[in-house]
Amino acid sequence: GENVEQHPSTLSVQEGDSAVIKCTYSDSASNYFPWYKQELGKRPQLIIDIRSNVGEKKDQRIAVTLNKTAKHFSLHITETQPEDSAVYFCAAKESGGYQKVTFGTGTKLQVIP
Amino acid sequence: GAGVSQSPRYKVAKRGQDVALRCDPISGHVSLFWYQQALGQGPEFLTYFQNEAQLDKSGLPSDRFFAERPEGSVSTLKIQRTQQEDSAVYLCASSLRTSGRDEQYFGPGTRLTVT
Repeated sequence: GENVEQHPSTLSVQEGDSAVIKCTYSDSASNYFPWYKQELGKRPQLIIDIRSNVGEKKDQRIAVTLNKTAKHFSLHITETQPEDSAVYFCAAKESGGYQKVTFGTGTKLQVIP
Repeated sequence: GAGVSQSPRYKVAKRGQDVALRCDPISGHVSLFWYQQALGQGPEFLTYFQNEAQLDKSGLPSDRFFAERPEGSVSTLKIQRTQQEDSAVYLCASSLRTSGRDEQYFGPGTRLTVT
């Protein structure tokens, strides 16, 4: 099955700086890569996703890049704000008849005002 | 509209007790997933329903775990003879269809503590 590794496990940045979270996956057939943000005690919420037919996607201060050859993808947050503080999970979806999603272990991002 | 809801939000069970966790998906959503999230970890897949059919239960950790969705809407995850290692947050998610392009919407989770 799919295995997703995520680094770093914790990340502290000054407000206004950029944050980068990296993930690798093992199944070359995976074709969908969502990113979720989970605030303390809250449910995971999708913030951005990328499909294997594109290399980069951007939504305001958030961008995701995908390197299919190397089987890694990254989340980039620019101009970080305190409300960006949360745990971020990357995930990969295996190809097949339905959407089994494998999650990474999470990155706890702290934005220091 | 209403999102995915789960009940109870918190459950404390003595070791050996049976528990039942409920998930109300978004109305009309075909796909329903259960995940187990241990402290400090990402959600781990347990099982998947497409309408009332349980198409994948490969993530259920033991035969003490059982899930059902008899009418294709509400789902129940049952854990028999709970053990301390079952302590976790149990998340339910639903999506509109079965396409890989569909976003999964998560419920708030049920935090299970086995003492």
